[in-house]
This record gives sequence, structure tokens and C-alpha cells, in this order.
Amino acid sequence: ETGVTQTPRHLVMGMTNKKSLKCEQHLGHNAMYWYKQSAKKPLELMFVYNFKEQTENNSVPSRFSPECPNSSHLFLHLHTLQPEDSALYLCASSQAVSLNEQFFGPGTRLTVL
Amino acid sequence: AQSVTQPDIHITVSEGASLELRCNYSYGATPYLFWYVQSPGQGLQLLLKYFSGDTLVQGIKGFEAEFKRSQSSFNLRKPSVHWSDAAEYFCAVRGGSQGNLIFGKGTKLSVKP
Repeated sequence: ETGVTQTPRHLVMGMTNKKSLKCEQHLGHNAMYWYKQSAKKPLELMFVYNFKEQTENNSVPSRFSPECPNSSHLFLHLHTLQPEDSALYLCASSQAVSLNEQFFGPGTRLTVL
Repeated sequence: AQSVTQPDIHITVSEGASLELRCNYSYGATPYLFWYVQSPGQGLQLLLKYFSGDTLVQGIKGFEAEFKRSQSSFNLRKPSVHWSDAAEYFCAVRGGSQGNLIFGKGTKLSVKP
């Protein structure tokens, strides 16, 4: 595998389910990001991790819980979501937060019923 | 606050015609600027970036962009569009306390045969 991979690519879940999104980067980067992409809205930065430490939480509701066990892996744990959380969730990585040339994964298309 | 405006939501051009996508930014310091492209069902791919130096930046796939500080613009151009260029294009500026990327809402490009 090369670049940034995300699984699953598509996910349908009910409002009471618990699921997790996974992101893995094979680029040797130290910073990882979660973005939310909704229709007709700009990409919204959700979380930033730098060397496994969370450096930014962009006022994201607690029903989204990130986890970064190491610099190569990033998870987004989902719990009690709402239909308006349906979106494309993109993971990205960069060499470091300050350099900001970010490489994106293909995204997980999430539908909350 | 930093912001990015892409005035055109949707543009249609004929194959072989030239293309210019507009981007205006608001940022107090010297901006770091990016153009990304997103094909349907895919993540974002970096086309080009401007950090400093020559204001005309060359990118991949035959794209270029020109930074104009006086106009706060970073427009993307291509002299001859190919059908495979149909996608959504996002302009971004580095901003925020962590130097995170702030994206515009995107411009969808359609290419007529």
C-alpha cells in the first residue's frame, strides 16, 4: 500500500450504532488530520494529531472520538450519530503540522440513518 | 480571520479550451497557498503550492497558478483542458494558530466534448 488509505470506503449506520473509521499512512509522516466534507460546504477540519498528540479539536461534538495510537494510524470512533453527520470523512497526513503539504486518503462515505 | 473565496461554483468549458479558476484569500501575513483537485469518489490531490519566490507556480497535469498579492488572488490556469480534468477544484490557504489549511467551497469543472 502506498499513500494514505482509509477503510471502510462506505459505511451505513443507525443512530444508535458504534462504528470506527480507520486511516493509515505509509508516507512516514508525523501529523495526521480528520476532515468532514459535506455537500455545499467547505472542508471542515475536525482534529489534528502531531506525533500522536492531539493538537487541535475544532469544536467537534463528543460523539466523534479520535484515536491516534501511532504516527501511522488514525481512527475516528463514532457513537450515537445524527443524520446530519452523513458526509465524506477524509483523512490526511503531512510531514509535520507546520509544513502543511497534506496528502489525502480517498475518504469514507458515511450515511447515518 | 483567514478565509478563501472561490466565486465560481460550477464552470463548463469545451475540451481544448483554456481554463481559469478564481481564488481570493484573506490572510494577514504572507500566505501559503494551495490548489487541490478531487475526482468523484476520491480524496484530494495536490496540484501545486505557493510558499514564496516566483509568483507563477507550475504544478502537475499542466496546471499553473499565479499569486497576485495586490489582488489577494491565486488563480489556477490551464492552456488546454482535457476531458479528464473534469473534477472539483479547491483552493486553500494556510491559517489558524496551528497553521492548518482553510479551504474554499470548491469549483466544479465540467468539460464538454
